[in-house]
Amino acid sequence: GNSVTQMEGPVTLSEEAFLTINCTYTATGYPSLFWYVQYPGEGLQLLLKATKADDKGSNKGFEATYRKETTSFHLEKGSVQVSDSAVYFCALSETGANNLFFGTGTRLTVIP
Amino acid sequence: SAVISQKPSRDICQRGTSLTIQCQVDSQVTMMFWYRQQPGQSLTLIATANQGSEATYESGFVIDKFPISRPNLTFSTLTVSNMSPEDSSIYLCSARGGTNSGNTIYFGEGSWLTVV
Repeated sequence: GNSVTQMEGPVTLSEEAFLTINCTYTATGYPSLFWYVQYPGEGLQLLLKATKADDKGSNKGFEATYRKETTSFHLEKGSVQVSDSAVYFCALSETGANNLFFGTGTRLTVIP
Repeated sequence: SAVISQKPSRDICQRGTSLTIQCQVDSQVTMMFWYRQQPGQSLTLIATANQGSEATYESGFVIDKFPISRPNLTFSTLTVSNMSPEDSSIYLCSARGGTNSGNTIYFGEGSWLTVV
């Protein structure tokens, strides 16, 4: 079956610190992988995605590389800002499927 | 991109009552979905809302408990029936955009329900 396991939070970092949120997956086929972000009081927004092995998704300074050999899609950012405080969700979608399988979400708080 | 509006955004409901959540998308979309996020847990797909026909439910979810309507391409409702405290969750409407959006899946802000 399909599942996503992501690093448990909450994570608290100082501004300009390096961020890594780990995400690993299991899938029966060749999924597309996503990171969604939910800022306080807002809906889920797509942050970045990768559709095949070795693809790197990037957006707003965040990046994640689709690693088939380790079934991982870790989210990284070199220097976080207070405005990055949010809940981050890793998700996968099987080829040809319409729905997403989500991880449990990781709450990030960045302090000045 | 598609903008998805849900209402109510929050509600406190009495045990045994039913509540209908509305979802409006600002553009025509191919697919609409309803997810549930229970406290401290991941998002779980409830069903795919099909335009003009019965919704397709995932394992563990049934029409009598979660009736869904989708009368047109931009609007859907989810009813949570005969609520119990275990139904306290965030319910999220989701839609898949067309090829112009890279088939991206968009989400509403969620409806936060507390059953007392």
